[in-house]
Amino acid sequence: DAMVIQNPRYQVTQFGKPVTLSCSQTLNHNVMYWYQQKSSQAPKLLFHYYDKDFNNEADTPDNFQSRRPNTSFCFLDIRSPGLGDAAMYLCATSRERFGQFFGPGTRLTVL
Amino acid sequence: GQQLNQSPQSMFIQEGEDVSMNCTSSSIFNTWLWYKQDPGEGPVLLIALYKAGELTSNGRLTAQFGITRKDSFLNISASIPSDVGIYFCAGQLDRGSTLGRLYFGRGTQLTVWP
Repeated sequence: DAMVIQNPRYQVTQFGKPVTLSCSQTLNHNVMYWYQQKSSQAPKLLFHYYDKDFNNEADTPDNFQSRRPNTSFCFLDIRSPGLGDAAMYLCATSRERFGQFFGPGTRLTVL
Repeated sequence: GQQLNQSPQSMFIQEGEDVSMNCTSSSIFNTWLWYKQDPGEGPVLLIALYKAGELTSNGRLTAQFGITRKDSFLNISASIPSDVGIYFCAGQLDRGSTLGRLYFGRGTQLTVWP
């Protein structure tokens, strides 16, 4: 089945230790998104790729970066995680303006 | 930015009852989407609406895209325990630099008592 896959599902890191979260998709969608979701809140968009074009949200901290080496894969790099970065990180894909499809998420814990 | 007002914030109902929730916006959207999120999982797309006035069903779920393009509702008929979760509405624009961006409501937490 076509799907959005996120690895790992659970990630524990230490304060200040870089971490990379990965997302892959078999839907062949041209747009990929990264969201941060904290408890009892709606997902908050961090950035998205429209094909190879990177679009950063104005309020996304510099601590967060992303890479999209090809259509299928997208990575979220957190350079120096702080306690406030503990959250669920969601990857989503879409084809043009049609509805976004989310992966299962990666729960990040910062010790 | 666009603000979506989703209500109610939470609902406690008995199994078999019907459920209705809605979302309103101060701005026009081209697409309305409804998602369900279970604890520890990503949101799952339930229904997508692309045209003003459109009424779409998915099993026991029915959603409508408001004529003004500023609102949408979701109905769940004959609720069952597995309907428990958080339901999010989302509006989407499809032009310019905001292409594909979703604006989410705050969510409706649904609890179903057996």
